[in-house]
Amino acid sequence: DQQVKQNSPSLSVQEGRISILNCDYTNSMFDYFLWYKKYPAEGPTFLISISSIKDKNEDGRFTVFLNKSAKHLSLHIVPSQPGDSAVYFCAASDSTNAGKSTFGDGTTLTVKP
Amino acid sequence: NAGVMQNPRHLVRRRGQEARLRCSPVKGHSHVYWYRQLPEEGLKFMVYLQKENIIDESGMPKERFSAEFPKEGPSILRIQQVVRGDSAAYFCASTLTRASSTEAFFGQGTRLTVV
Repeated sequence: DQQVKQNSPSLSVQEGRISILNCDYTNSMFDYFLWYKKYPAEGPTFLISISSIKDKNEDGRFTVFLNKSAKHLSLHIVPSQPGDSAVYFCAASDSTNAGKSTFGDGTTLTVKP
Repeated sequence: NAGVMQNPRHLVRRRGQEARLRCSPVKGHSHVYWYRQLPEEGLKFMVYLQKENIIDESGMPKERFSAEFPKEGPSILRIQQVVRGDSAAYFCASTLTRASSTEAFFGQGTRLTVV
């Protein structure tokens, strides 16, 4: 049973437009959520996170929204840039150990110039 | 570069051989995590170690896999008698603390191919 799901394997958007990546989770024990960005042949890089006590966290062009009742979170990138093209992983953990995360399978974002 | 260092980047082993993957965490970090990524999948947690101790190995296969993080030197993930299904990318991450707000830094991974 996959506890963190990213239902869209891929997403393609035009440069300058908004990219919205979605993630659903099933485990109610998760209370800390992260997004990682990954380029081919490299390790994941932390992008942005959100605690379950919040419903929104913003960092520059990146905003993460959390809907606890729906067990859903989303990452908004605006405006999208070609350099944002990468695989984005949603991850969830509990507050006892953020280093141990459950990852989704990733969404490949392509931003077209 | 004070990031997480993993070596080798690529490792080819024949079935039945042993694979040793090394991970040096960010300087000052004492918490190390190993993850495995199969093709087209996300990263799957394997084991969490602090210096000289295995804290959580709930994601480790019961046989052939072991991990250590000695007082001196890198963390080692060891796979004995490798099989084709062990072919994957293995990532190591380190954190300064285990608090939920701490950021995990990942290495570039070791890509293991079993032939």
